[in-house]
Amino acid sequence: NAGVTQTPKFQVLKTGQSMTLQCAQDMNHNSMYWYRQDPGMGLRLIYYSASEGTTDKGEVPNGYNVSRLNKREFSLRLESAAPSQTSVYFCASSAHRRGGSTDTQYFGPGTRLTVL
Amino acid sequence: DAKTTQPPSMDCAEGRAANLPCNHSTISGNEYVYWYRQIHSQGPQYIIHGLKNNETNEMASLIITEDRKSSTLILPHATLRDTAVYYCIENSGYSTLTFGKGTMLLVSP
Repeated sequence: NAGVTQTPKFQVLKTGQSMTLQCAQDMNHNSMYWYRQDPGMGLRLIYYSASEGTTDKGEVPNGYNVSRLNKREFSLRLESAAPSQTSVYFCASSAHRRGGSTDTQYFGPGTRLTVL
Repeated sequence: DAKTTQPPSMDCAEGRAANLPCNHSTISGNEYVYWYRQIHSQGPQYIIHGLKNNETNEMASLIITEDRKSSTLILPHATLRDTAVYYCIENSGYSTLTFGKGTMLLVSP
């Protein structure tokens, strides 16, 4: 079990370039999440997908798009990168069963993105 | 914004118990207290969660006060590898997590 995997691990972009961050989980989880973490800060939710085929905005969605490609994969796209998007991006997943009372999230190792 | 309050940093000697406090005075009846930690440059890692009763697992113990307004995470025998940022989070289990700045625990030899 690899858990949650993310690619790439590191990326440097120029302002205005686009890129897609990939995330995959092999735990058969229903829900997936994208967070960003700026230096010295806690994580902030960008987008999440409660189940395959659905996506919802989190706290800081501007400048990002997401695709829940299938149950395993959830991608994050930056259409026109800006220096303010320099951050570490974490993907997470959780079982989120209907009627469940608790929901633990499992995180990937992160993608370190620098926008010049 | 995070609804919990934690000290920004704490120190602990290796081999001693680390007791990390958290205030959650506005916690709702259906919200659990979750603890995660983040070792430098890694993704957050789940530690433990509880509703009313004290909980223990292989990583830690969680003590929740009777009024549920505060809790303490206990690492019984801290090691250098426990140096990390520890996050206390209220969550009903049906919503997304809100991370604050957490407590930076430094375990020293």
